[in-house]
Amino acid sequence: GNSVTQMEGPVTLSEEAFLTINCTYTATGYPSLFWYVQYPGEGLQLLLKATKADDKGSNKGFEATYRKETTSFHLEKGSVQVSDSAVYFCALRAGANNLFFGTGTRLTVIP
Amino acid sequence: DTEVTQTPKHLVMGMTNKKSLKCEQHMGHRAMYWYKQKAKKPPELMFVYSYEKLSINESVPSRFSPECPNSSLLNLHLHALQPEDSALYLCASSQDFGRASSYEQYFGPGTRLTVT
Repeated sequence: GNSVTQMEGPVTLSEEAFLTINCTYTATGYPSLFWYVQYPGEGLQLLLKATKADDKGSNKGFEATYRKETTSFHLEKGSVQVSDSAVYFCALRAGANNLFFGTGTRLTVIP
Repeated sequence: DTEVTQTPKHLVMGMTNKKSLKCEQHMGHRAMYWYKQKAKKPPELMFVYSYEKLSINESVPSRFSPECPNSSLLNLHLHALQPEDSALYLCASSQDFGRASSYEQYFGPGTRLTVT
């Protein structure tokens, strides 16, 4: 079946620290992989995506590389800001258009 | 315009009330979705409409009744809800629904529902 395992939070970092949020997946077929971000009190925003192995998605300084050999899609950012504080969801889509979400990782960045 | 709008933003209703949540998109998307998100949990899929027809119903209780009057609008009619139905209800849309896996979903801001 399809599932996403995501690093448990919460994660607290100082401003300008390096961020990694781990995400691994199990899927049938060839999934597309996504990172969504949810700011407090808001809906989900697509942060980045990758549709095939070795693709790198990037946006707003965040990056994630689709690694088929390790079934992973880890989110990274070189220097986080207070405004990056949010909940981050890893998700996959395989076959039809259903999204399977991880449990979410809450990131808090302190000045 | 890559926006999905949802109204109302907040809703408080009693267990005997009937209310509706509304969702609208003008991106020409042919697939629309309802998700339910409890606090500190990921969104859970409830319904999928494709070309205005219900494609997926994830065993949702009948007190939730979806409706897709046209390709831009999606409603969720609520009746006789329970306090445990309190959650953030998210609408999403995508270009299409099916085996082509490149269609990303765009989410609205959600309606925060409280059932008293």
